[in-house]
Amino acid sequence: AQTVTQSQPEMSVQEAETVTLSCTYDTSESDYYLFWYKQPPSRQMILVIRQEAYKQQNATENRFSVNFQKAAKSFSLKISDSQLGDAAMYFCAYRRQYNTDKLIFGTGTRLQVFP
Amino acid sequence: GAGVSQSPSNKVTEKGKDVELRCDPISGHTALYWYRQSLGQGLEFLIYFQGNSAPDKSGLPSDRFSAERTGGSVSTLTIQRTQQEDSAVYLCASSLSDRAYGYTFGSGTRLTVV
Repeated sequence: AQTVTQSQPEMSVQEAETVTLSCTYDTSESDYYLFWYKQPPSRQMILVIRQEAYKQQNATENRFSVNFQKAAKSFSLKISDSQLGDAAMYFCAYRRQYNTDKLIFGTGTRLQVFP
Repeated sequence: GAGVSQSPSNKVTEKGKDVELRCDPISGHTALYWYRQSLGQGLEFLIYFQGNSAPDKSGLPSDRFSAERTGGSVSTLTIQRTQQEDSAVYLCASSLSDRAYGYTFGSGTRLTVV
């Protein structure tokens, strides 16, 4: 069975600084997708960034980028130039290659951003 | 609708009562998922619908939990004889079957069993 582990329950960063959130996963599949979701107090899960396992290039979305290490089964999220609005719960998620398969989530990291 | 709508937003119920949670997905989204988020935990998969059928209900924790979907649209998650451990946020998501990343989540229902 696939599992996702986030070992940092809480992280903090100063505004304008950079922070990295860690995620590891376990799977025997070779093709899959990885995601980072943000959950603000409104509870709605918002997709931050995604990575296809077959792509070697790390995904980037503006201030958000990932470090995808397939052999190590590691998928960390780097947030550059942190903003107060980045404060939220961040969840790492895994999904097999099938479009309608379920997401498997880690337990989340609470990110605090200090001015 | 423009987004995934869940109702009620918050529900407080007495132990032993039955509750129904509703999810109204984005129009045209054929796939629908229910997740449970307990305090301090990640999201736990409960059940997946494709149209009106549920090919994967492996996450339902007990036979007190059931769900249905009608008309390929609205879904209802029913919890019978609620227990305190059922207290959690219940999130619904929908997607188009032919899209790899098209999950849209609702804002959830916070269920508190007292």
